[in-house]
Amino acid sequence: AQSVTQPDIHITVSEGASLELRCNYSYGATPYLFWYVQSPGQGLQLLLKYFSGDTLVQGIKGFEAEFKRSQSSFNLRKPSVHWSDAAEYFCAVGARSSASKIIFGSGTRLSIRP
Amino acid sequence: DAGVIQSPRHEVTEMGQEVTLRCKPISGHDYLFWYRQTMMRGLELLIYFNNNVPIDDSGMPEDRFSAKMPNASFSTLKIQPSEPRDSAVYFCASSLGGGVETQYFGPGTRLLVL
Repeated sequence: AQSVTQPDIHITVSEGASLELRCNYSYGATPYLFWYVQSPGQGLQLLLKYFSGDTLVQGIKGFEAEFKRSQSSFNLRKPSVHWSDAAEYFCAVGARSSASKIIFGSGTRLSIRP
Repeated sequence: DAGVIQSPRHEVTEMGQEVTLRCKPISGHDYLFWYRQTMMRGLELLIYFNNNVPIDDSGMPEDRFSAKMPNASFSTLKIQPSEPRDSAVYFCASSLGGGVETQYFGPGTRLLVL
């Protein structure tokens, strides 16, 4: 069965600084990978996803993520964060064999320092 | 489009009472998902439907939980009888196609069982 680990529970970065949120997955084959964002009191919104092809994926709001098979990682990056990026970020993995069942990580809460 | 609609947004009930959560997916979407989010367990998939048919209910915690989708535009998640440990935020999501297709989340129902 697939699983996903987000090792950082809470990260604080200064506005304008770069950001990298870590995600490691466990799956025997190439998985589907997702990053979702959840603002306080809101549902989740998809930032980006990877299923094949180019390992560097561009998403909304200036985010990108890179799939590294050798490291079983799918880290999320943004070159310059804005105060509005403060939210909870979830990495998720889906198995190609059980198409629609997505397993979510525990989330990383991002705070922005003015 | 109005997005995924959930009602009620907040529900406070007493232990032993029946609770019914409602979801209206995005029109035209053929997949519907119910998730539960708690601090302890994170975001868990409870059940999902394809074309109104339950496909995987392995995440439903126990027989007290049941979900139905009588038509393409409506689904319910029922808890009977409710217990304090059911307190959580329940999300409904829908997608057009399964697998890697984007799931669109509703705003969630915050349930508190006293």
